[in-house]
Parts: sequence; structure tokens; C-alpha cells
Amino acid sequence: GAGVSQSPSNKVTEKGKDVELRCDPISGHTALYWYRQRLGQGLEFLIYFQGNSAPDKSGLPSDRFSAERTGESVSTLTIQRTQQEDSAVYLCASSLGGAQRKSQYFGPGTRLLVL
Amino acid sequence: TQLLEQSPQFLSIQEGENLTVYCNSSSVFSSLQWYRQEPGEGPVLLVTVVTGGEVKKLKRLTFQFGDARKDSSLHITAAQPGDTGLYLCAGAGWGNTGKLIFGQGTTLQVKP
Repeated sequence: GAGVSQSPSNKVTEKGKDVELRCDPISGHTALYWYRQRLGQGLEFLIYFQGNSAPDKSGLPSDRFSAERTGESVSTLTIQRTQQEDSAVYLCASSLGGAQRKSQYFGPGTRLLVL
Repeated sequence: TQLLEQSPQFLSIQEGENLTVYCNSSSVFSSLQWYRQEPGEGPVLLVTVVTGGEVKKLKRLTFQFGDARKDSSLHITAAQPGDTGLYLCAGAGWGNTGKLIFGQGTTLQVKP
């Protein structure tokens, strides 16, 4: 497809388990972002990848959260020892680099529920 | 800390009415984006405004970036039920950061 894809679309897990969320960006987009959206709220920045530069991890809420990106393609967001407050929609976005990086295109999100 | 305040948070109007959504901050942004999000989906980019005072039109939607690049507005003329959704503004900082600061959103309901 032409857009950003994310998997799984929904994930239910038990408190204390680890989860992995996947993002496939738009082909040719060098920048990739992860955001978190709690119910009825705006988006909270988590992490940003741009090419081979060191990622901007300033939005990660704790050391239980980590993300990796393979080259300029797939990214995985990992949450270790999940807590109930981690329940949210996790959104991935991608963009072109340079001046175009402000126009970000979002995937449908992964809805995470921690019981 | 950069913050974006959106108002109103909720808006319920009849089809055909006009409305304006505001996005305000004490911070200066290099650009500002407006997104629309429907339930169960990711936000869809509507517009990016870059220049202070810039006005962009997208059919019945008019977007304005404040002269000081601290605020923006979205005006919808003759709202339709299909305009229903969550409207989000997002500001971009300066330099190499790709981080967007999002407002908390305005939920719009247009009744037929």
C-alpha cells in the first residue's frame, strides 16, 4: 500500500508482559516518528528517527520504552514490563527529510490495552 | 515547555453553520499543521502553514497562521456532517527536530 502501515491493529496484554509494535513507513520517507495518544487527547511525541542520525528519544516516558529502526524502513517500538497506564493508541508517522519533515503522515495506530 | 491550547474542546453545530477553531501558544513555531482524525484511524494532514500571516484555503476550510507565528485558526464555512471528527493542530520547532507539539484537539459534531 501507499500509506504508513502498523501492526498489530489491536493488542491486549497482561500487566508485566513485553509488547512489540511495528511500523512500515511510506517508501522513500527518511524520517519516522512514534507518538502516543490517550483516549480523547492530543498526541504525545515519543521518538524520532532521521536517516543515520542518532534518534531523538526525548519523549520516551521511561526506560521501559525503546525503539529501533532498520535503515530507512521498518521500526519497532518495544514496551517492557507493561503497566496499565501504558494503555493508549500508539501512532507511527513518516515524512520526507529536510524542510518536508514537518508534514507527517500517520498510520492507523496500534490500540494497546494492558489488563 | 512548548504548549498548544486549542479551543473550544467540543463543538456541536447544525449542518450549514460556520465555525472557527483556535490554536494558541506563547511559543513561536517554524510551521503549524492541522490534522483531522476520525474514530479508529490515524490523523490525516489537512494543511501546513509556514509563513506568519499566511492564509490557506481547502474548499470550505480556511487556515490562518498568526503574524507572530504563535497562533492559528481553522474556519469552516457551511459545515457538513462529513466534517465531523477530531481536529488537531500541531506546531513544529526550529532546527533539526522533527518533533511536533500537538494541541489536545477539538471534537466537532455536525448534525444533519
